[in-house]
Amino acid sequence: EAGVTQFPSHSVIEKGQTVTLRCDPISGHDNLYWYRRVMGKEIKFLLHFVKESKQDESGMPNNRFLAERTGGTYSTLKVQPAELEDSGVYFCASSHIRAGVRNTIYFGEGSWLTVV
Amino acid sequence: DAKTTQPTSMDCAEGRAANLPCNHSTISGNEYVYWYRQIHSQGPQYIIHGLKNNETNEMASLIITEDRKSSTLILPHATLRDTAVYYCIVRVGSRDDKIIFGKGTRLHILP
Repeated sequence: EAGVTQFPSHSVIEKGQTVTLRCDPISGHDNLYWYRRVMGKEIKFLLHFVKESKQDESGMPNNRFLAERTGGTYSTLKVQPAELEDSGVYFCASSHIRAGVRNTIYFGEGSWLTVV
Repeated sequence: DAKTTQPTSMDCAEGRAANLPCNHSTISGNEYVYWYRQIHSQGPQYIIHGLKNNETNEMASLIITEDRKSSTLILPHATLRDTAVYYCIVRVGSRDDKIIFGKGTRLHILP
């Protein structure tokens, strides 16, 4: 079974440009999460999808960040326009939704973003 | 906010058991203890989780105290590849909740 996959693995863009990160969750996982880690900081939660709906977007830093999950399968995270402080690694994670069962969350390898 | 307390860093000799402590004194009755690790810059890797009984899998063992206020992750025979940041997390594990990461413990395996 394939794990959580993310694309691109690395991206270097100039300040003011747009970048779109993609996440393919584990097949059948309705929960999808985005996290990020900026240099020297802890891993921070960004948002949580349940299928195509945003369950919790309390961690989104500002309106330059837009996450979508049309159709409830893969998700994209767009940063527009990118700023220097957006540099870091963005992790995607997924888990099942199963009542009465502990739903372990599995992470992808991350998308490294460098804004110059 | 993270609801656990872990030492900032630990050292362990290669081949020895690595015992990583975690305090979660405010844990609720329906919250599980989860452990993840992040090796260098890779994505966080799930290790193990438990509620109140000790658990063991191919990667590690988890010992939870009877009052559930603390736990210990045990890597029985640490290798250099176990050098990582280890995160102890408490969560209900329901369909709606998420992981909140703290600072974790940076484990150095010494040759």
